Amino acid sequence: DTAVSQTPKYLVTQMGNDKSIKCEQNLGHDTMYWYKQDSKKFLKIMFSYNNKELIINETVPNRFSPKSPDKAHLNLHINSLELGDSAVYFCASSQDRGLAGDNEQFFGPGTRLTVL
Amino acid sequence: QKEVEQNSGPLSVPEGAIASLNCTYSDRGSQSFFWYRQYSGKSPELIMFIYSNGDKEDGRFTAQLNKASQYVSLLIRDSQPSDSATYLCALTGGGNKLTFGTGTQLKVEL
Repeated sequence: DTAVSQTPKYLVTQMGNDKSIKCEQNLGHDTMYWYKQDSKKFLKIMFSYNNKELIINETVPNRFSPKSPDKAHLNLHINSLELGDSAVYFCASSQDRGLAGDNEQFFGPGTRLTVL
Repeated sequence: QKEVEQNSGPLSVPEGAIASLNCTYSDRGSQSFFWYRQYSGKSPELIMFIYSNGDKEDGRFTAQLNKASQYVSLLIRDSQPSDSATYLCALTGGGNKLTFGTGTQLKVEL
């Protein structure tokens, strides 16, 4: 029944490691997103894919690489993890109906990444 | 200047009172405005969106938009303890990219 799901929920790892977070949505939406929420609760968009095509790519270190195998999945791979990468990462999805404001984004439960 | 500014709070209101949350933004080209609620340890969920000047009401919630003054607000009537959460203001310039404020923490006290 979960609309947007993410795995894992918690991720604790050492500096320098490579890790991936997976996201899946069963809402039939065309667009998916990755957000980072830091310790001050500031939520900032990182990437967005529409039908497997990258449409938003914010100023994010190239250690972060999103991959969308199909429109229901958007994964985030992070190389050479750093202490500053510790945050909560949220996946979201939306169906752009082309109407102003009518593209509600549904968020997943988040993945809390802790880099030691 | 931040793109979207909110007072971080906490804003404390007694149960049954009206909570007023405010948000200002810098980009006059912003078109759609959203209020998300985020409980501690949970994901954001949409409460309302507004894109025309004026008021929009949905149950106990009213969003107000004034594009000339570049502010958007959220009023919560008859505040309940279950309304205690962080309220995130967000906007788009017409596309899918949401820009969020840092959020206002609301505490509704018994």
